[in-house]
Amino acid sequence: DAGVIQSPRHEVTEMGQEVTLRCKPISGHNSLFWYRQTMMRGLELLIYFNNNVPIDDSGMPEDRFSAKMPNASFSTLKIQPSEPRDSAVYFCASSLWDRDYEQYFGPGTRLTVT
Amino acid sequence: KQEVTQIPAALSVPEGENLVLNCSFTDSAIYNLQWFRQDPGKGLTSLLLIQSSQREQTSGRLNASLDKSSGRSTLYIAASQPGDSATYLCAGPGGGFKTIFGAGTRLFVKA
Repeated sequence: DAGVIQSPRHEVTEMGQEVTLRCKPISGHNSLFWYRQTMMRGLELLIYFNNNVPIDDSGMPEDRFSAKMPNASFSTLKIQPSEPRDSAVYFCASSLWDRDYEQYFGPGTRLTVT
Repeated sequence: KQEVTQIPAALSVPEGENLVLNCSFTDSAIYNLQWFRQDPGKGLTSLLLIQSSQREQTSGRLNASLDKSSGRSTLYIAASQPGDSATYLCAGPGGGFKTIFGAGTRLFVKA
């Protein structure tokens, strides 16, 4: 298995632009998580999907952030408009639904907003 | 609110030393725990998972234990090597569906 796949690996954009991050979970996994990692705040859960349905989005910082999972093999995290404080590494992770504690992480997308 | 603390925050040791990394949760009702390794600029790699029916797990030179009564876990690394240099994070249930992560211990093993 290729593991969790994320794209792009690096993204540099200007403030105010729309950013879309993509994730392909491990085949057969039906739970998907989006995390954000910064030096100041560490690793934070943004949103959790189960069977393509958002279950907990309490970690999404603002309305500028939105996430979708149109099918079991694809999810997006969108920031519109982006701001410099959104600069971070964004990770996607997946797991089996009854083993949410055993998560497999993608390589992350390093976002820089100038 | 569940919180997790990792001690020490950073550690530098000579090659060959045995070392212990600590992780503790404010809510001791921990029924599973996972240790991850993160190399600079990389994602998280799962090292060991201790499930509800277990007290410890071993993989090669790594041993992790979980004291569910106190909510504390230790990661033991035997005969450390320069290749072990990385950040080690523990993660456990944070309430509901959430997993919470410690801030990590940055380990540097000197050759």
